[in-house]
Amino acid sequence: EVQVVESGGGLVQPGGSLRLSCAASGFLFSSYAMTWVRQGPGKGLEWVSTISGRAHNSYYTASVQGRFTVARDNSKNTLYLQMDSLRTDDTAIYYCARMNVSSVTLDQWGQGTLVTVSS
Amino acid sequence: DIPMTQSPSSVSAFVGDRVNITCRASQDISTWLAWFQQKPGKAPKLLIYEASSLESGVPSRFSGSGSGTDFTLTISSLQPEDLATYYCQQGNTFPALTFGGGTRVEIK
Repeated sequence: EVQVVESGGGLVQPGGSLRLSCAASGFLFSSYAMTWVRQGPGKGLEWVSTISGRAHNSYYTASVQGRFTVARDNSKNTLYLQMDSLRTDDTAIYYCARMNVSSVTLDQWGQGTLVTVSS
Repeated sequence: DIPMTQSPSSVSAFVGDRVNITCRASQDISTWLAWFQQKPGKAPKLLIYEASSLESGVPSRFSGSGSGTDFTLTISSLQPEDLATYYCQQGNTFPALTFGGGTRVEIK
């Protein structure tokens, strides 16, 4: 069974840092690009970042460029999102999702982890 | 960025009704369009990809159509378990994805 499970969310002060993890199982992790999507309280879905299967390429939405870093460890089947210089508008549920490159969509999602940025 | 506009923002219908949700792209995205269902408190779930292909395991009452800039998600016979918010997503600007604002489906 394909599964992705996020962890690492919590409460952090503005300007602080947090690292999210996403553990994958049930598929050949290194063969898939992986993506982070977030959803602010009562809001819609926002693409945050994507990393290629072998980590050669990574991409970010403009609002997190330079503050967030996506990484993966294919030996551990784990995706990461390092979030620095956090702002209150980064408060959201962060979802990890597997990207199907051929259909350009997200075919497996985790349950999400909540990040709250507040003083 | 390709903004995606969904309408209506919410719809209320009876069990058994046909429900249509539309999504409009600001420019031609061919058929790089997906639909997701998000039930309250849950993660999104893929329903339709490439505008009209049904994801494995999704009930056949869900269907998608369209190409270019205008797309439609149809629920042919609304069921109580279809209570959810539905999002479209364009993949033409891969790897950057954009989502529509969502359509909340309620049961009368």
